[in-house]
Amino acid sequence: DAGITQSPRHKVTETGTPVTLRCHQTENHRYMYWYRQDPGHGLRLIHYSYGVKDTDKGEVSDGYSVSRSKTEDFLLTLESATSSQTSVYFCAISSPSTDTQYFGPGTRLTVL
Amino acid sequence: AQSVTQLDSQVPVFEEAPVELRCNYSSSVSVYLFWYVQYPNQGLQLLLKYLSGSTLVKGINGFEAEFNKSQTSFHLRKPSVHISDTAEYFCAVSGPGAGNMLTFGGGTRLMVKP
Repeated sequence: DAGITQSPRHKVTETGTPVTLRCHQTENHRYMYWYRQDPGHGLRLIHYSYGVKDTDKGEVSDGYSVSRSKTEDFLLTLESATSSQTSVYFCAISSPSTDTQYFGPGTRLTVL
Repeated sequence: AQSVTQLDSQVPVFEEAPVELRCNYSSSVSVYLFWYVQYPNQGLQLLLKYLSGSTLVKGINGFEAEFNKSQTSFHLRKPSVHISDTAEYFCAVSGPGAGNMLTFGGGTRLMVKP
């Protein structure tokens, strides 16, 4: 398995509170991604990174921000969580040598 | 823009029967194609991928898929399923090259019955 961990694995929070999810990799891969998974929608890209301090928006970026200060960590922040952000969040990594994304175990976030 | 359609949201099948999970895509550029499997309460695991070359791709756990460019399809097949194949299966497409984002279909839940 690719060396990807996500923390926390489960979180319950209240509407309006800030939340930060962490993705950590030990593979030294250049590209990192954040997706959310919702029933019937598969996975949808939130933000991605193509290097340290280089990030860009995905399909569903509203309400989310990201940061990547070092190769191994990619943080996803919900500045003010809403109930519509209740979801399972997956981090993925890829490299030019594989052209394939490998996924972390996921974080289940519930916003009450 | 790319899109992926998985034509069946659920597929029930009896153990040891063959199964085909359908996937169609649309894209204005050449594509890479992937199938991922998600077991309950777990992350996504790569089942197989098509990047180039032979259109018939073999993956893990006895699964295979065929890339059909004229029909823009990448259907997943297994000749004989097991109870342990019960899971959700996702088809995904990306543009060629590293760093390209994946676009996923909505998923197909395969339910294998004894």
